[in-house]
Amino acid sequence: SQKIEQNSEALNIQEGKTATLTCNYTNYSPAYLQWYRQDPGRGPVFLLLIRENEKEKRKERLKVTFDTTLKQSLFHITASQPADSATYLCALPFSGGYNKLIFGAGTRLAVHP
Amino acid sequence: GAVVSQHPSRVICKSGTSVKIECRSLDFQATTMFWYRQFPKQSLMLMATSNEGSKATYEQGVEKDKFLINHASLTLSTLTVTSAHPEDSSFYICSATPSGGVTGELFFGEGSRLTVL
Repeated sequence: SQKIEQNSEALNIQEGKTATLTCNYTNYSPAYLQWYRQDPGRGPVFLLLIRENEKEKRKERLKVTFDTTLKQSLFHITASQPADSATYLCALPFSGGYNKLIFGAGTRLAVHP
Repeated sequence: GAVVSQHPSRVICKSGTSVKIECRSLDFQATTMFWYRQFPKQSLMLMATSNEGSKATYEQGVEKDKFLINHASLTLSTLTVTSAHPEDSSFYICSATPSGGVTGELFFGEGSRLTVL
């Protein structure tokens, strides 16, 4: 079955540094991959979508890479700020399920001043 | 971006009662909405796909008679937790994609925290 793995340990970094989060998946070749941000007690918020034929995508301070050979996506936040502290979720579409998403458990990021 | 509203945001009920959660797309139409459940420090788990004008599609292991889903219009889906028990206590989140919108991008509601005593 499809499986998504994100580092369950919290990532603590200093303000201004680049945060890098990892998403690995198995038993699957998704057409695209997404990243969401979730704050405590709130619903996830869409950040970026990257398709299988795209190696990299950027949006302001965010950068996502997608390596279909390694079955891995990296999510980078440059010049991180305390306001970036949240849980970041990786999501893939269910096999054969248009717009149905399966989510990783998420990685909690804490940016310290 | 598109807005999805959930109500109530928090609900506490006694064991054995039923609770209804509403999910509305405020500025777009959605033929399909999704219901997720999230336990503390765990991933979002897809419960069911709500289809406007037809029966919902439930994921494996989700009891359709316990979690009743109705998608009566293009902007409203409801989830009713029937005969709720303490183990049903969780964070329920709905999501939707505008009909004809960007592939895969989901807009989520703020979630509904259910506590069953």
